[in-house]
Amino acid sequence: DGGITQSPKYLFRKEGQNVTLSCEQNLNHDAMYWYRQDPGQGLRLIYYSQIVNDFQKGDIAEGYSVSREKKESFPLTVTSAQKNPTAFYLCASSDRDDGYQPQHFGDGTRLSIL
Amino acid sequence: QKEVEQNSGPLSVPEGAIASLNCTYSDRGSQSFFWYRQYSGKSPELIMFIYSNGDKEDGRFTAQLNKASQYVSLLIRDSQPSDSATYLCAATSGAGSYQLTFGKGTKLSVIP
Repeated sequence: DGGITQSPKYLFRKEGQNVTLSCEQNLNHDAMYWYRQDPGQGLRLIYYSQIVNDFQKGDIAEGYSVSREKKESFPLTVTSAQKNPTAFYLCASSDRDDGYQPQHFGDGTRLSIL
Repeated sequence: QKEVEQNSGPLSVPEGAIASLNCTYSDRGSQSFFWYRQYSGKSPELIMFIYSNGDKEDGRFTAQLNKASQYVSLLIRDSQPSDSATYLCAATSGAGSYQLTFGKGTKLSVIP
């Protein structure tokens, strides 16, 4: 089945720890995105990537880092610099990054502080 | 600051009625508009997208766009309890832009 797989489903971070959220897609989509959703809030863009080995900061990139070494993979690292990491993290992809192709989402990862 | 505004609700409608969800956007250059449905604890699921002024129908769903008024709406006909969810409106930021700005969502409750 084609889709977007995020793992793990739940993740706990200790003080001062970096954690990495996985996002893999087998849809052959060019563009991939990371969003953060807080309770009762809309989605906010963290990072996005249009092609392999290239990515851009979104509205709330501070405290996060990404890589795009393969077309199908776009992992997100939540660093210790992100002081309020508790949120629902959503990865999305779209066929082309032209503003007309819909973005489709994975099932998400819930991150909490221990 | 680009904004997408939605009434947070909850919007309650009886089963079988038409649910009307509304959204306004601030960026006059926005070209594409998307409606997502998000069940509690789940990820958003694409319902409809619309690019041109007017109506676009897909089954029980109709998206309406009025660029002059910077207004997008989603109508759900014959509402079912399974339609109870939060509906997110999203708009691209300007011509050819790929970044989506999301509203905070409207919570819909369909009463059996």
